[in-house]
Amino acid sequence: DTAVSQTPKYLVTQMGNDKSIKCEQNLGHDTMYWYKQDSKKFLKIMFSYNNKELIINETVPNRFSPKSPDKAHLNLHINSLELGDSAVYFCASSPFSGRSYNEQFFGPGTRLTVL
Amino acid sequence: SQQGEEDPQALSIQEGENATMNCSYKTSINNLQWYRQNSGRGLVHLILIRSNEREKHSGRLRVTLDTSKKSSSLLITASRAADTASYFCATDNSGGSNYKLTFGKGTLLTVNP
Repeated sequence: DTAVSQTPKYLVTQMGNDKSIKCEQNLGHDTMYWYKQDSKKFLKIMFSYNNKELIINETVPNRFSPKSPDKAHLNLHINSLELGDSAVYFCASSPFSGRSYNEQFFGPGTRLTVL
Repeated sequence: SQQGEEDPQALSIQEGENATMNCSYKTSINNLQWYRQNSGRGLVHLILIRSNEREKHSGRLRVTLDTSKKSSSLLITASRAADTASYFCATDNSGGSNYKLTFGKGTLLTVNP
């Protein structure tokens, strides 16, 4: 069984469109994340949710809106897509204990190409 | 701002040789983690070392942590072609309500058969 799954795997769209990426984890973890990996492989956190509550929002444009309907799902909606949004987006989850993180489990990624 | 910086950016070795990658960071940490990313795939956790630990082993992997120098190293012994991947260090320097990992830019390791 897949631990962290994302759909779609590839997304090609025109500038100005609105798109969503979905993420689901079956690990029973409390915390989920969205990361953006650019063409130079730099991985940067965008959002983090703990038990459906937003705990990290890393100066991401408000065109990006995460939604967590329950603690097993974290979706990412992007409005008015721009060329610079082209990247690979990774969802991840982790158990959380106290003030320190445990390992994170990553999904396979969604390659977004904005034309 | 970026926390971890891996060194070297790219490393090419022959199968059977050892590979060493280094990571430096700027602020105090709770733990440091190493991840592997195969081409076109998500990251996979390799090993976690806590700030009060100095060395940790897992199979062919050996990680060291020197908090006085704010640096860590990942050693892969007896490398195999399947070890070809990008390797990232990630630091947990969370405090208060700001819980997150900060990833470096990675080292691309190529193991030639």
